[in-house]
Amino acid sequence: QQPVQSPQAVILREGEDAVINCSSSKALYSVHWYRQKHGEAPVFLMILLKGGEQKGHEKISASFNEKKQQSSLYLTASQLSYSGTYFCGTADSWGKLQFGAGTQVVVTP
Amino acid sequence: DGGITQSPKYLFRKEGQNVTLSCEQNLNHDAMYWYRQDPGQGLRLIYYSQIVNDFQKGDIAEGYSVSREKKESFPLTVTSAQKNPTAFYLCASSIAEDRYSNQPQHFGDGTRLSIL
Repeated sequence: QQPVQSPQAVILREGEDAVINCSSSKALYSVHWYRQKHGEAPVFLMILLKGGEQKGHEKISASFNEKKQQSSLYLTASQLSYSGTYFCGTADSWGKLQFGAGTQVVVTP
Repeated sequence: DGGITQSPKYLFRKEGQNVTLSCEQNLNHDAMYWYRQDPGQGLRLIYYSQIVNDFQKGDIAEGYSVSREKKESFPLTVTSAQKNPTAFYLCASSIAEDRYSNQPQHFGDGTRLSIL
């Protein structure tokens, strides 16, 4: 079952912060985060494999709340290069990745 | 540099025609995937393969077929049975993973398929 991402879109000014949420109705074993720029391939950001695990990629970090069956991606001090569509992918036991519909992020000067 | 190559970048299909999308990787990955991306719907899994000569259906396999004769190659055929083939198709690969999808997927640049 496809995870639900929120918000659908967010507009930021350079330097501002944002949070993207990814929720599932199933128990999760892993959460992937990818970023896709228009017309390009999705690029891997990070995987979270354990409940409570947090990872970071430059000033982009994520958390995984296993009990709440959700993950959040944090964009801190956003840069113009952070613009794109962010997808979460979730996997339950023996399942393949199910991707959310994406969150479009626009960072303006 | 290692990576995934998809071709062609754009493809047009006539009614009743089968078309084949190419996906080649030189990352020495065991697992390969095909996704379909429609506007506002994220990525949906069509087929995946964990090993040569073996593949499984994903969530939307109807109207598609694949083969995995070589580790490096995982072509996707969009058959005439697929009535709504217009979409962006993405191929991905990863290191062989366990049951928890614990390996990152590396994507190709995609093929945009349209109906004439």
